[in-house]
Amino acid sequence: DVKVTQSSRYLVKRTGEKVFLECVQDMDHENMFWYRQDPGLGLRLIYFSYDVKMKEKGDIPEGYSVSREKKERFSLILESASTNQTSMYLCASSPTDLPYEQYFGPGTRLTVT
Amino acid sequence: AQSVTQLDSQVPVFEEAPVELRCNYSSSVSVYLFWYVQYPNQGLQLLLKYLSGSTLVKGINGFEAEFNKSQTSFHLRKPSVHISDTAEYFCAVTGGSNYKLTFGKGTLLTVNP
Repeated sequence: DVKVTQSSRYLVKRTGEKVFLECVQDMDHENMFWYRQDPGLGLRLIYFSYDVKMKEKGDIPEGYSVSREKKERFSLILESASTNQTSMYLCASSPTDLPYEQYFGPGTRLTVT
Repeated sequence: AQSVTQLDSQVPVFEEAPVELRCNYSSSVSVYLFWYVQYPNQGLQLLLKYLSGSTLVKGINGFEAEFNKSQTSFHLRKPSVHISDTAEYFCAVTGGSNYKLTFGKGTLLTVNP
């Protein structure tokens, strides 16, 4: 079974804090993704990575950065958290030969106060 | 660019009734189409996919979907639902870049006893 794990299920941070969300997958997938999920908006792609140290902007990268130093780990960084970044964050991974077959983690619900 | 429209944000049904969740897409290129399901407090799970071939695709848990190119639709159906099918369902499309999935806003299916 593909396992995608996220470091926290729930996180509460203050405005202006630097926030790290960690994602680890155990299936040796080349591709990894970060989405945010908001009610009525569905999922929106923030960043994705198709190889170690490679990254591409998604649809809503503003206010976020990412890091991928190892194949299995993909981190989302909020440099200075703001209240409009309160959301559910979902990580996913997929293999090179089937990039659209994405396997999702359970999500991190981030609240910025 | 691709877009996905899920025509119903909420669909309440009684147990053992049939259900159809509607999805329309727009794309200037050939597409792959997907349905994902999100059970409460979990990440997304791939339900079924259309890549090519037969326009009727079967997925897990008794769901099926039909690709209709002329209507640009990919509606999800199940002949008899169970309480355990209560979840949010997302339609998604790729096109051009296989890395990127464009998701609809989701349909919350609530199955009542």
